[in-house]
Amino acid sequence: EAQVTQNPRYLITVTGKKLTVTCSQNMNHEYMSWYRQDPGLGLRQIYYSMNVEVTDKGDVPEGYKVSRKEKRNFPLILESPSPNQTSLYFCASSRYGSGNTIYFGEGSWLTVV
Amino acid sequence: GIQVEQSPPDLILQEGANSTLRCNFSDSVNNLQWFHQNPWGQLINLFYIPSGTKQNGRLSATTVATERYSLLYISSSQTTDSGVYFCAVEDGANNLFFGTGTRLTVIP
Repeated sequence: EAQVTQNPRYLITVTGKKLTVTCSQNMNHEYMSWYRQDPGLGLRQIYYSMNVEVTDKGDVPEGYKVSRKEKRNFPLILESPSPNQTSLYFCASSRYGSGNTIYFGEGSWLTVV
Repeated sequence: GIQVEQSPPDLILQEGANSTLRCNFSDSVNNLQWFHQNPWGQLINLFYIPSGTKQNGRLSATTVATERYSLLYISSSQTTDSGVYFCAVEDGANNLFFGTGTRLTVIP
């Protein structure tokens, strides 16, 4: 079954405590990306990756890091989380190129207190 | 990035009613997709529609790329249609830009 898996699904953490949200896909997709969703703002892209070792900033990259060491994994790293990073996060993947179905993970609810 | 505007922001319907949701975008796009986000937060792809019209059951969508808009039609709405509907457009580098969504509530 085609899947994008995110973990954790729910997390409450404290300001400044480093955390990683993992994302894994089983479809051998080249393209992966992270979005955050906030009330009234829709989904905004944080970072994306077109292939292994190729990453680039999206619209709201501040406070986040990513890595793409393997094709299937694209973790999102919050080195020093702050309350304004409280949000719903989505990972997505697709084959590279226009016209391909994009698959989303189920979302990770993150609260920073 | 590409600007995407959706209207209306909120919509309340009686079960059985029809509705039209609109999406305007600011630039030429490689593609356009409609998503439904259910009350549990899951994003479900409804249509992949760079141009023309597609239908899937009670839902249909039309995109007029030259005029930079797309419409999502929901007929005979049901309570399970409730949720947020997003339009997202794709630039030339596979990146999606989302509108702020239309929150639909269907009441029995």
